[in-house]
Amino acid sequence: GEDVEQSLFLSVREGDSSVINCTYTDSSSTYLYWYKQEPGAGLQLLTYIFSNMDMKQDQRLTVLLNKKDKHLSLRIADTQTGDSAIYFCAESTTGGSYIPTFGRGTSLIVHP
Amino acid sequence: GAGVSQSPSNKVTEKGKDVELRCDPISGHTALYWYRQSLGQGLEFLIYFQGNSAPDKSGLPSDRFSAERTGGSVSTLTIQRTQQEDSAVYLCASSPVGPGNSPLHFGNGTRLTVT
Repeated sequence: GEDVEQSLFLSVREGDSSVINCTYTDSSSTYLYWYKQEPGAGLQLLTYIFSNMDMKQDQRLTVLLNKKDKHLSLRIADTQTGDSAIYFCAESTTGGSYIPTFGRGTSLIVHP
Repeated sequence: GAGVSQSPSNKVTEKGKDVELRCDPISGHTALYWYRQSLGQGLEFLIYFQGNSAPDKSGLPSDRFSAERTGGSVSTLTIQRTQQEDSAVYLCASSPVGPGNSPLHFGNGTRLTVT
């Protein structure tokens, strides 16, 4: 199976909250990241969390980490049409020399 | 300041030809990465350079792929005898230090189409 798994699509209404989920397999994950990719562009780091943290909040973004279940989520409050993009979860581990391993990405579609 | 610059932005080539993709990292960034993004797939790690150390080539899919980084700055990814399955977006990233808590800064990628 893949090291990092995400659902491929999420559709929400403007103003609602979006929750994008990610699971990973390597228990030695040290850093977990969320990146955003807009059409025709590279990936932009949104936020990251250390594995010894449970939660991190940054304005409209909230990251939750459940180490026991190896589950990471990204919540976007008050989702706007400009949030429509592909969101990638990534992990870096000691075994992988910390080079980030990415999931397939979740396409977030925000409709009015 | 300038971000990571990749050229060309698009490349169409015939099967069997060689291609070179260029990456200009952010000035002062010691680490440089190449990833490949195929349709419907995640980012596939290809190669990693860190300072003057030997590169981590563990992600290169075949010996047709090679990369170099001159003077600790610009990097070139070369694909020889291109195949249709090489069609993808090739993304370059750099970071101030090695991976870990140093976030990657990505370029906009080179979209390679092999006909």
